[in-house]
Amino acid sequence: DADVTQTPRNRITKTGKRIMLECSQTKGHDRMYWYRQDPGLGLRLIYYSFDVKDINKGEISDGYSVSRQAQAKFSLSLESAIPNQTALYFCATSDLTGTGNYEQYFGPGTRLTVT
Amino acid sequence: RKEVEQDPGPFNVPEGATVAFNCTYSNSASQSFFWYRQDCRKEPKLLMSVYSSGNEDGRFTAQLNRASQYISLLIRDSKLSDSATYLCVVNLANAGGTSYGKLTFGQGTILTVHP
Repeated sequence: DADVTQTPRNRITKTGKRIMLECSQTKGHDRMYWYRQDPGLGLRLIYYSFDVKDINKGEISDGYSVSRQAQAKFSLSLESAIPNQTALYFCATSDLTGTGNYEQYFGPGTRLTVT
Repeated sequence: RKEVEQDPGPFNVPEGATVAFNCTYSNSASQSFFWYRQDCRKEPKLLMSVYSSGNEDGRFTAQLNRASQYISLLIRDSKLSDSATYLCVVNLANAGGTSYGKLTFGQGTILTVHP
């Protein structure tokens, strides 16, 4: 089984709808992240959480919210979806490695289309 | 100026060729460095960390030049399976040297290896 899972894998929704993307991990990591990826722009950080009671905005948090329900779960919500939120969304986890670096492990991604 | 810049390519090389990618970063407080590989429509996966002394993993060699703030990846004896997008990634630290635990991604360099 995959260590980091995302649901749904694909979603088409209409402008104005509320949508939630879910992420679960079995790696036991404290840190979790949400990114979006757009062609030519690379991955951009939306929100991140360093433990269950910690939520931090990334570089493009407007229009999004998150919930860290447990160490293993981190959900991303779009309260009122708009077409420019069409993108590939990745969840990631990390923990401190022996070298002092935070290597990240990604879920398979959710392809979201807002019409 | 982008925090992490890469030549997007694409690089088209024949099997067996040697190919090199460079990446520059703007923040001198960057602490740790990585190359990730991303196959089409898949999640990024860690290829290798980049250490100050340079490091090698089979056909892959990574170098770091802190003075010039650039990172390189060299692939020798290219294989068809090396075709992917290669993402340059940096991790910032604060003035005390403590990692923020957030990664900043370059937009990626596309490599296509052909027969």
